[in-house]
Amino acid sequence: QSALTQPASVSGSPGQSITISCTGTSSDVGNYNFVSWYQHHPGKVPKLMIYEGSKRPSGISNRFSGSKSGNTASLTISGLQAEDEADYYCCLYAGSSVVFGGGTKLTV
Amino acid sequence: QVQLVESGGGVVQPGRSLRLSCAASGFTFNSYAMLWVRQAPGKGLEWVALISYDGSNKYYADSVQGRFAISRDNSKNTLYLQMSSLRTEDTSIYYCARVDWGHAFDVWGQGTVVTISS
Repeated sequence: QSALTQPASVSGSPGQSITISCTGTSSDVGNYNFVSWYQHHPGKVPKLMIYEGSKRPSGISNRFSGSKSGNTASLTISGLQAEDEADYYCCLYAGSSVVFGGGTKLTV
Repeated sequence: QVQLVESGGGVVQPGRSLRLSCAASGFTFNSYAMLWVRQAPGKGLEWVALISYDGSNKYYADSVQGRFAISRDNSKNTLYLQMSSLRTEDTSIYYCARVDWGHAFDVWGQGTVVTISS
């Protein structure tokens, strides 16, 4: 149950695009299309932003997109807005275990 | 509306036990797997335990295996986490969440705070 690897922080200016990576191994991220992404504002409840690698739940802005290449999943946020400033976590639930990334603090 | 409400948190001495509850409403509880996730002060999200829709399968993080027990009462629409042999490192906000069909967690409770301190 090794944690997925995310950068500790990323930053961008309003209107720009950023990408957060989530690196695993061929046994986890590389083997399943079940990576999900969560936005977490401090003091609030985590919010599902992307599931199954690239799908957006109803109500989530199309500024948020997900992708995968090999053992790395990515979350891209385009047209950055001030309210996007939060912590972001990738997650993989596959088989009998769940693993989160260490989290990435996005500063806008 | 779809809602999860945790309760049972508090301040407990190391080595003692505590049971958390998560009351579900607004959806067919017995159709969904459920899980517990925690966040220690200044740390990231950490998976704790997961239970299948009917309670027949239960899975735990290595850090709580043998000390915590997840269960559910589908007649009461309630999820539980029995925590024993508590350690200071178990101090966290504990969230319950619903597992959707896409292997993701689409509904979260507001969290309950557990503090382990002598």
